[in-house]
Amino acid sequence: GAVVSQHPSRVICKSGTSVKIECRSLDFQATTMFWYRQFPKQSLMLMATSNEGSKATYEQGVEKDKFLINHASLTLSTLTVTSAHPEDSSFYICSAPGTGFSYEQYFGPGTRLTVT
Amino acid sequence: ELKVEQNPLFLSMQEGKNYTIYCNYSTTSDRLYWYRQDPGKSLESLFVLLSNGAVKQEGRLMASLDTKARLSTLHITAAVHDLSATYFCAAFRNSGGSNYKLTFGKGTLLTVNP
Repeated sequence: GAVVSQHPSRVICKSGTSVKIECRSLDFQATTMFWYRQFPKQSLMLMATSNEGSKATYEQGVEKDKFLINHASLTLSTLTVTSAHPEDSSFYICSAPGTGFSYEQYFGPGTRLTVT
Repeated sequence: ELKVEQNPLFLSMQEGKNYTIYCNYSTTSDRLYWYRQDPGKSLESLFVLLSNGAVKQEGRLMASLDTKARLSTLHITAAVHDLSATYFCAAFRNSGGSNYKLTFGKGTLLTVNP
């Protein structure tokens, strides 16, 4: 099946710094990608929908100026957490829909962000 | 707004027993997904259910969808320890054009005991 990768898999940063997370579709094109955040022992919460060539669509309550999304190509979306704080520590997961009649949603392996 | 409720949230089973996880959703959904998540890992796709009456089976897991009742079930047959994980259902909603998204339930933490 299709593969979605994320980089880095783990990152530790200091409070106030910015962190960029990459999400790539490895063997298919994705005009849309989704970014989720998962706190420990909780479910996945959709943060935003990333659209190639246009602005991302953010879910209610998600600060667009803090979580910058850039969908620069048909295989790459990036999420930048700006001025990170300890409360931003979480597991960030991206996904991309399959093409054609697959109906699958392919999830990346996730990025564990720890802000100290 | 589409809401998804799973129950139970916690399930402790003995090996060899059967049980069902329920997933209710509040409004019309185009399709229903089931995922498995192991600790520290991302999601593993189990099933995609596309239409009313759909039933899919893989090993000891069987999923079904009743769109009229807005209910999906994940049935576990003769549980084994390897099935211990968190299981999520997610409902898909297309609001038109390219505006669509998955809404997840809270997850069911399944523990299978010897």
